[in-house]
Amino acid sequence: DGGITQSPKYLFRKEGQNVTLSCEQNLNHDAMYWYRQDPGQGLRLIYYSQIVNDFQKGDIAEGYSVSREKKESFPLTVTSAQKNPTAFYLCASTEAGREGNEQFFGPGTRLTVL
Amino acid sequence: EDQVTQSPEALRLQEGESSSLNCSYTVSGLRGLFWYRQDPGKGPEFLFTLYSAGEEKEKERLKATLTKKESFLHITAPKPEDSATYLCAVQANSGNTDKLIFGTGTRLQVFP
Repeated sequence: DGGITQSPKYLFRKEGQNVTLSCEQNLNHDAMYWYRQDPGQGLRLIYYSQIVNDFQKGDIAEGYSVSREKKESFPLTVTSAQKNPTAFYLCASTEAGREGNEQFFGPGTRLTVL
Repeated sequence: EDQVTQSPEALRLQEGESSSLNCSYTVSGLRGLFWYRQDPGKGPEFLFTLYSAGEEKEKERLKATLTKKESFLHITAPKPEDSATYLCAVQANSGNTDKLIFGTGTRLQVFP
């Protein structure tokens, strides 16, 4: 089955630690996205990538970093510089360049800072 | 500034009681409007894409409509399994990205 996988499902981090969230897709999509979801707020874009070896900051990129070495993979690192990292993180992908194309989401990773 | 507003924030319905969810938007050129369903602790599930005013799409008990300023998600004779948060998002003509701008969602509860 084609789809998007995220791991782990739950992640606990101590203050001052960097953690990396995994996102893999086998949909052959060019574009991939990371969103953050907090209670009472809409999904907010952290980073996105439209092609391998290229990515751009979204609306709330501070304290996060990404890489896109393979088409299938777009890992997100939450660094110690992110002051309030506790949230639900969602990865999405879509075919790039096609107008009005829908994004498909993974199951999410819930990150909690202890 | 591109913006999406959903109302109501929460909606409680009796099973079989039809209703509508609203998504109003202001964008600099609409490329597409999207509806998603999200169950607690899960990722959003794609429902519909609407591209132009007057367009309608249906799936089971759900029907989405679009005008130049807003979209409605009509739920006909809902069942308890329709309980979820429904998210609306728009894609605007801003550069060459596929960025989506999301509303905060409507949390729907359908009770027997």
